[in-house]
Amino acid sequence: DVKVTQSSRYLVKRTGEKVFLECVQDMDHENMFWYRQDPGLGLRLIYFSYDVKMKEKGDIPEGYSVSREKKERFSLILESASTNQTSMYLCASSLLEVHNEQFFGPGTRLTVL
Amino acid sequence: AQSVTQLDSHVSVSEGTPVLLRCNYSSSYSPSLFWYVQHPNKGLQLLLKYTSAATLVKGINGFEAEFKKSETSFHLTKPSAHMSDAAEYFCVVSERVNAGNMLTFGGGTRLMVKP
Repeated sequence: DVKVTQSSRYLVKRTGEKVFLECVQDMDHENMFWYRQDPGLGLRLIYFSYDVKMKEKGDIPEGYSVSREKKERFSLILESASTNQTSMYLCASSLLEVHNEQFFGPGTRLTVL
Repeated sequence: AQSVTQLDSHVSVSEGTPVLLRCNYSSSYSPSLFWYVQHPNKGLQLLLKYTSAATLVKGINGFEAEFKKSETSFHLTKPSAHMSDAAEYFCVVSERVNAGNMLTFGGGTRLMVKP
């Protein structure tokens, strides 16, 4: 079974702090993704990566950056956390082809005070 | 650019009655379409996917969806609802972007099943 793990299930940070969210997948997938999920808005794509050191902006990249130094690991960085970044963050991975399903991690609920 | 509209944010049915969750999409190319389900406090799980083969797609737990290109729809159905079907459902379209693929999610439909 594909496994996507995220470093924390719950995280509480203060405004202005730098925040790192880590995601690891164990199935050698090329694609990795970061989404945020907010009620009524579904999932919105922040960034994705289709190869090591490659990244593409999604729909809402502002205030976020990403890092992919190894194929299995994809990090989401909030350089200076703000209260409007309080959300559920979901990581996913998939094989390269467009019709392949994405496998999701359990999510990290981030609260910024 | 692609987009997905789930026409109902909440749907309530009685156990044993049919389920219909509606989804319309727009896409520049021949799309790949998915339905995902999210049970409370659990991760997203794939229900079914359409990838330009048969237009009627069968998924897990008795769900199916029909791709109708003329109507740009991909509605999810089940003949008889079960209590365990109560969850949030997401319609998703996939598009190739550079060397990767990008998913666009609808806003979600919360399905409630009454005994």
